[in-house]
Amino acid sequence: QQQVKQSPQSLIVQKGGIPIINCAYENTAFDYFPWYQQFPGKGPALLIAIRPDVSEKKEGRFTISFNKSAKQFSLHIMDSQPGDSATYFCAASDRGSTLGRLYFGRGTQLTVWP
Amino acid sequence: DAGITQSPRHKVTETGTPVTLRCHQTENHRYMYWYRQDPGHGLRLIHYSYGVKDTDKGEVSDGYSVSRSKTEDFLLTLESATSSQTSVYFCAISEVAGGPHNEQFFGPGTRLTVL
Repeated sequence: QQQVKQSPQSLIVQKGGIPIINCAYENTAFDYFPWYQQFPGKGPALLIAIRPDVSEKKEGRFTISFNKSAKQFSLHIMDSQPGDSATYFCAASDRGSTLGRLYFGRGTQLTVWP
Repeated sequence: DAGITQSPRHKVTETGTPVTLRCHQTENHRYMYWYRQDPGHGLRLIHYSYGVKDTDKGEVSDGYSVSRSKTEDFLLTLESATSSQTSVYFCAISEVAGGPHNEQFFGPGTRLTVL
């Protein structure tokens, strides 16, 4: 049973566009929502994370929007660049139990054309 | 980069043979994890460890065992490899579990092919 559902599976945008990746969850105990970025042949790396007490978090060109009532969160990449082409994973955890175990979405492969 | 190495980086083996993958960390982090990554499935947790000799199962643990005799090493063993275990395996470490920062750092991965 998928704890975190991610869409779309793949996304193609032109340079300067704003790709948006969406994730949804059911477990209301989740209280930490990170996004990981993975380049081909590399391990995933933490990109940005949010807690449910805020509705938005920005780090550079990357923004997480969080809707607690809808149990959804999304990643927006402003002014996307070819170097942003990678696979993006959302994740969630219940930090108070299960030893902080992360549940990952299935990933979105983003391609940014120059 | 967090000090995580995985060995081997690539391995081809035959069905029915035992295989051991090694994860080594130099960060002295308490928590260690093994994931497998498959197209369309994302990252799935196989086993994790919350201390030396303390391990537990993840969501896809069948056919796998782990051991952790030292803080820095976490071994993943496929007792009798099957073609369904062809995958890319990632080790991850975390200093804390829970709390405001639950970042996991990932190793470079091991690509395993079972023929």
